[in-house]
Amino acid sequence: DAGVTQSPTHLIKTRGQHVTLRCSPISGHKSVSWYQQVLGQGPQFIFQYYEKEERGRGNFPDRFSARQFPNYSSELNVNALLLGDSALYLCASSPEWGGGETQYFGPGTRLLVL
Amino acid sequence: GQQLNQSPQSMFIQEGEDVSMNCTSSSIFNTWLWYKQDPGEGPVLLIALYKAGELTSNGRLTAQFGITRKDSFLNISASIPSDVGIYFCAGLWMNDMRFGAGTRLTVKP
Repeated sequence: DAGVTQSPTHLIKTRGQHVTLRCSPISGHKSVSWYQQVLGQGPQFIFQYYEKEERGRGNFPDRFSARQFPNYSSELNVNALLLGDSALYLCASSPEWGGGETQYFGPGTRLLVL
Repeated sequence: GQQLNQSPQSMFIQEGEDVSMNCTSSSIFNTWLWYKQDPGEGPVLLIALYKAGELTSNGRLTAQFGITRKDSFLNISASIPSDVGIYFCAGLWMNDMRFGAGTRLTVKP
């Protein structure tokens, strides 16, 4: 069975640009969460979506937004990129809302902002 | 917010040695999780702990949920080269999940 997939795998942008990252959850999973993992740190929660609605938001600025589509895939959008947005962006899917230990992580999208 | 302190930051050990790492917090959690992350991959769940004092094993891995609910440790026995990677603890309170900064493990053959 296919796991969580993310695209693209790597991305290079310049400051001020906008970026869209994509995630396809495991088949049958209805919840998607996004995490930012800065080099040398653990993942930090950004958003959780369940049944196309935002169910949780971490401490990130409004430049970060996301949405979930009817097929449960999700996009993370970041506007006005800053150098500090350089990180590995992880998507995790889970069968139901809440996630926790039932989350499966994708391989991530590595974003470099120059 | 709840902060997790994970130690040590890194470990260099010989194949066959045992490893111990831990996580402490200033706040309580109702679930502790331990993950392993390999290069180019997302974290993979190793062990989940649900009750204070719980001791759980998964093969050569053993983890415990601290009595105070503010700490947890992970032991790896008889390490092998494929144990190399970064190990993360994570605490879960309601639906809020916080990760430690990770322990980077290197195993020398």
